[in-house]
Amino acid sequence: EVQLVESGGGLVQPGRSLRLSCAASGFTFDDYAMHWVRQAPGKGLEWVSGISWTSGNIDYAGSVKGRFTISRDNARNSLYLQMSRLRDEDSALYFCVREMAYGYHAFDLWGRGTVVTVSS
Amino acid sequence: EIVLTQSPGTLSLSPGERGTLSCRASQSVISSYLAWYQQKPGQAPRLLMYATSSRAAGIPDRFSGSGSGTDFTLTISRLEPEDFGVYYCQQYGSTSAFSFGQGTKLEIK
Repeated sequence: EVQLVESGGGLVQPGRSLRLSCAASGFTFDDYAMHWVRQAPGKGLEWVSGISWTSGNIDYAGSVKGRFTISRDNARNSLYLQMSRLRDEDSALYFCVREMAYGYHAFDLWGRGTVVTVSS
Repeated sequence: EIVLTQSPGTLSLSPGERGTLSCRASQSVISSYLAWYQQKPGQAPRLLMYATSSRAAGIPDRFSGSGSGTDFTLTISRLEPEDFGVYYCQQYGSTSAFSFGQGTKLEIK
């Protein structure tokens, strides 16, 4: 089955760190760029970060640049998001997302998400 | 950064009616890089349309997309009860950044 499964979310205090993981299965992981998209409770979607299949191109939203680090391990079919200096406004459901092939820059496969709550 | 503004905020329609959702960009968007998603409560978003007017796999042909430049439209020709949810447009820009609109909530009467 083609799927993405996130893990690593939880309750964390402001200023602390957390690492999210995403396990991919059912497709050739290293054929695709991958991303993290988040959704605060009751709010819309916000793109967080993306990484190319070779890890040669990495981008971040301005709101997380310098605090979050995206990475991938193609041998393990896994995507990661290291989150540091967390803020209250980082509280959200974090989705692992696959970017579709052929350069259309749309997201064709989503995980169910992992919840991050930043609170003291 | 390109800002996408969707309208209306909420759309209430009956089954069988036609639904028209708008997405307006603060700067010109490359048509190949404009997509639409549907999200139902408690679920992840689902890709509906990519490259403005191409339907994603498994999407019924009552969904269609159009537009260019700064104005894009998602049309649902004959609404079905299962079409309720929140619809988001999304673009990819020259600064390698992605952005989403704030969403349109489609309510089925």
